[in-house]
Parts: sequence; C-alpha cells; structure tokens
Amino acid sequence: KQEVTQIPAALSVPEGENLVLNCSFTDSAIYNLQWFRQDPGKGLTSLLLIQSSQREQTSGRLNASLDKSSGRSTLYIAASQPGDSATYLCAVLDSNYQLIWGAGTKLIIKP
Amino acid sequence: KAGVTQTPRYLIKTRGQQVTLSCSPISGHRSVSWYQQTPGQGLQFLFEYFSETQRNKGNFPGRFSGRQFSNSRSEMNVSTLELGDSALYLCASSLVGLAGGNNEQFFGPGTRLTVL
Repeated sequence: KQEVTQIPAALSVPEGENLVLNCSFTDSAIYNLQWFRQDPGKGLTSLLLIQSSQREQTSGRLNASLDKSSGRSTLYIAASQPGDSATYLCAVLDSNYQLIWGAGTKLIIKP
Repeated sequence: KAGVTQTPRYLIKTRGQQVTLSCSPISGHRSVSWYQQTPGQGLQFLFEYFSETQRNKGNFPGRFSGRQFSNSRSEMNVSTLELGDSALYLCASSLVGLAGGNNEQFFGPGTRLTVL
C-alpha cells in the first residue's frame, strides 16, 4: 500500500530565506508526483507536476525534484515571501491511478 | 476561463440524513475526481468520473456515491450521514483524467459539511 510522508509537518522561516520541503513515498511504482498549496479555507492550487520519467520541474521561484528509485521528492522555494505562507501538499499518482496524499507541511514566512 | 465551482460551500446536516454536493468542472474538462479532507485522515480519494462513467473508486463505504452528467457536471451523494463524515469535500477536474498523460488536477474551493 502506497504511503506518502511529508517532513517537516510545520516550518517557520524569516522572509527571504531559501527553503526545502520534503516528500517521501513507499512504492516507486508511480506515474507522477504533484505539489499543491492550500490556503486556509480554500481549495488546492497545483504548483508543479513531475512525470515519473522526469527528474525535476521549475516554475518561477519553485523547483521540484523527483528521485523515484529512492522514493523522494523535494520542493525548493527560493527567496521566500510572506505570500508563500500556506500548507504544501504532495501527492503521487499510484499504480491504481489514484492520488495518494501526504499530510502536508504548514509553512509560515515571517516578514 | 472559469474555474471549478462547487455548491453549496457550507452545509449542516444531522446524523441519518443524506446530502448531495455538486461540482462543475472547467469547460472542456471531462474528468471529475472527488476527495475528502479531514484533520485526522488528511486527503483521501473518493472516486473519479470520466465521460459519465465511474473510472475509479477509493476505499469508502457504499454510502458514498456519485454520478456525472453529459455536460461533465458531477454530483456526490452521501446517505445515512455519520458524525465522521464531517469534512471538506473537494472536487477536481482535468482534461483527460487521472489515467491520462498530463493529468494536472484543478481544484474547486470545496464544500464544508458538518454533521451534527
């Protein structure tokens, strides 16, 4: 059974810092991995999608990497801003075509 | 282009009642997936519909059901509500669905269901 873990559960950093969020999964048989952000009381916004054959994806200040063999992904946020404060979730599309989710990392960027 | 819409946004029901939630996908998207989000279990996949057919189903009891109409709008029904069904219910739409090549999911704002 696929399990997705995100570490840390919460993170508070001063504005301007670069930071890394971690996501690990137990079964390497995935089709892709997605990173989302969720703002309080709102739905999810897709940030980056990495296909299983890819190693990384970039969008603006965000860079996500995927190491399928080791079951790990990282989301790198450069030059963090207060507007980046949110909960970040990763999800893998497993061999049954179901999205399996991590519990999320709650990120607070202090001005 | 309008995003994914969900109605109602908030709902309060009592145990034993049933509820129907609605999701309208982005125009042109044929896949709608439903998820339950609770503080204890996090996000869990309920089911996916594609072109009016249920394509996949998560590990939820039969009280949870859904359907999709010809215009791709989808409804989710929960019968005989239990306290544990209190959750944020999210739907997501995508062009070709979870089994497609580029299956980026676009989420609605969710329906907050409270069961008393």
